[in-house]
Amino acid sequence: EIVLTQSPGTLSLSPGERATLSCRASQSVSSSYLAWYQQKPGQAPRLLIYGASSRATGIPDRFSGSGSGTDFTLTISRLEPEDFAVYYCQQYGSSPQNTFGQGTKLEIK
Amino acid sequence: QVQLQESGPGLVKPSETLSLTCAVSGYSISSGYYWGWIRQPPGKGLEWIGSIYHSGSTYYNPSLKSRVTISVDTSKNQFSLKLSSVTAADTAVYYCARSVIVVVVAALGWFDPWGQGTLVTVSS
Repeated sequence: EIVLTQSPGTLSLSPGERATLSCRASQSVSSSYLAWYQQKPGQAPRLLIYGASSRATGIPDRFSGSGSGTDFTLTISRLEPEDFAVYYCQQYGSSPQNTFGQGTKLEIK
Repeated sequence: QVQLQESGPGLVKPSETLSLTCAVSGYSISSGYYWGWIRQPPGKGLEWIGSIYHSGSTYYNPSLKSRVTISVDTSKNQFSLKLSSVTAADTAVYYCARSVIVVVVAALGWFDPWGQGTLVTVSS
């Protein structure tokens, strides 16, 4: 089973700043099969990125994903107030199961 | 626009079976995609429970496989989750979601969209 470790646990930034979130896998993720989700309090997760770098429908272009192998990054170019939330990565390339990272909380500084 | 809505008891007694249903609107389950269940204990991260295809093919998280059953009812356009022998550790928000599969043999894929989730508490 692939274990995903997200860092940092909490990231404190101000609106307008650039956010860089990391997701590291314990083994190489096949074919860059990695997704990113955003979750706000009391809401379900929302898909942001799939295939490591493809934005989901309706996701603003300030969100971008990159990486391959064991190291992946979610970048938010200029933070908007609505971007402060918890972000999860998920790998779906290696059996026997889909696995999620433990999350990074992006909070307002 | 695809929408999913979970329903079921919010309180289940220890050792009993948790049963939830996910009603899908705006899309016919029979048209394709896999459909999955994911849970999130209070204040914690996400855990995939399992996924099902409209044909009835199922794939489960190995750590839960012995207690999980997912079924589909295409006539009602819904799918269901049963988790047996529950304990307090099964207390969580349970989400249903549509899954775009890229690895069919294990139903691996991303999830979009998600239902709003339903909190199930295991307590006597």
